[in-house]
Amino acid sequence: DAKTTQPPSMDCAEGRAANLPCNHSTISGNEYVYWYRQIHSQGPQYIIHGLKNNETNEMASLIITEDRKSSTLILPHATLRDTAVYYCIVRVTGGGADGLTFGKGTHLIIQP
Amino acid sequence: DAGVIQSPRHEVTEMGQEVTLRCKPISGHNSLFWYRQTMMRGLELLIYFNNNVPIDDSGMPEDRFSAKMPNASFSTLKIQPSEPRDSAVYFCASSLAGGLAGEQYFGPGTRLTVT
Repeated sequence: DAKTTQPPSMDCAEGRAANLPCNHSTISGNEYVYWYRQIHSQGPQYIIHGLKNNETNEMASLIITEDRKSSTLILPHATLRDTAVYYCIVRVTGGGADGLTFGKGTHLIIQP
Repeated sequence: DAGVIQSPRHEVTEMGQEVTLRCKPISGHNSLFWYRQTMMRGLELLIYFNNNVPIDDSGMPEDRFSAKMPNASFSTLKIQPSEPRDSAVYFCASSLAGGLAGEQYFGPGTRLTVT
C-alpha cells in the first residue's frame, strides 16, 4: 500500500513558485519525508528530505506540517527544466542502506 | 565524478536470449540498488546490496532474474531466459550507507526491449 498520496498532475507558470503537496497521514515518528524527481528519460534525482523541521537547499524548500501528516515541496522560481515527475517518499533513514518505494508521483508541467 | 555508469544504454534482444546489464556505482558508495520502470508498474525496487552483500531480493520477479556484486565497483543484473514482459528501463543507483542524507544517485538507465 502506498504511504503517500500526491495529485497526478499539476501546471505552473514559468517564473512562479511551484507548490507540490503530499499527504502521508500514516507516517511514523522515525520516518523522514524524501522528495525525488525524474525528468523525462533520465534516472530519478534526489531533491530534499526532512523529518519535522522545514528544510531548504539550493533546489527547493520542504514544508512539513506540525502533525507531520502532510508536506509541500516548493520550487521557488520554476523553469521549463523543472518539468518532471516528482515523487514524495516516506522512509526510515537508514543512511541510504535500504531501497526506495516509489508511488505514481506528480507530473509537474511548467508552462512558458 | 562520473556518477553511476550503466551499460549498455539500449539493448534489443529476442525472447529466450540471455541479457546482462552492468553497473558501476560511484566510488566510495557501499550500497547499490537495481530498479525497474515500466508504464504499468512504475518504478520498482528489484534488489539491493550493502557492502557487496545482497540484503533484499524480494522484488526480483522470478528465478529468471539474478544479480551479483563481485566487488565494490561492479554489479550485474542478468535475465535468463528473457521474455517480452521484461521490456523496461532498468536503473542502477548507489548511495553511502550511514551517510546523513541517505540520498541515492541513479544512473541513466538501460532500456531493454525483448522481442
